[in-house]
Amino acid sequence: ETGVTQTPRHLVMGMTNKKSLKCEQHLGHNAMYWYKQSAKKPLELMFVYNFKEQTENNSVPSRFSPECPNSSHLFLHLHTLQPEDSALYLCASSQTFPTRGRGYEQYFGPGTRLTVT
Amino acid sequence: KQEVTQIPAALSVPEGENLVLNCSFTDSAIYNLQWFRQDPGKGLTSLLLIQSSQREQTSGRLNASLDKSSGRSTLYIAASQPGDSATYLCAVTAGGTSYGKLTFGQGTILTVHP
Repeated sequence: ETGVTQTPRHLVMGMTNKKSLKCEQHLGHNAMYWYKQSAKKPLELMFVYNFKEQTENNSVPSRFSPECPNSSHLFLHLHTLQPEDSALYLCASSQTFPTRGRGYEQYFGPGTRLTVT
Repeated sequence: KQEVTQIPAALSVPEGENLVLNCSFTDSAIYNLQWFRQDPGKGLTSLLLIQSSQREQTSGRLNASLDKSSGRSTLYIAASQPGDSATYLCAVTAGGTSYGKLTFGQGTILTVHP
């Protein structure tokens, strides 16, 4: 596997379910990100992990719980979600120092399409 | 708070036309600006990255410019093709952190018809 991978690609869950999204990066990066993309809204940054430490929580409800066990893996644990949480969830990774000419270029995974029923 | 706006929201052109997508941002204290492409239901592919000290970047038929002081960027696509149909997203990276904190625009949906 190369780049950034995400599983599952599609997920349908009820409001009382508990599920987890997984992201893995094979690029040797130290920063990982969760974004949410809802219909008709800009991509929103949810969480940032820098060297496994959470450095950004963009006022995300507690029903979303991130976990970063190491620099290569990132999880998003979901519980008691609402229908408005249905969206495309994207994971990204980057270096934590600016690479010459490229800055902190982020590489994105294909996303998980989440539907909450 | 940084806000990014993209105009137009949607654009439909015949194949072969040259076109311009616009992006504006409210806070000029950016580290860099990126243009991404997103195909339906897919992740993002980085097209061009412009550092805050640069004025433009080119890749093939794509040319992106940056006017940091006025808070504007344009993406120029030459000789458009049906395969260029996608959503184009503009994002700026905030300075002052050791990682890329991106703020995205809402995107321009481009359709190039044969």
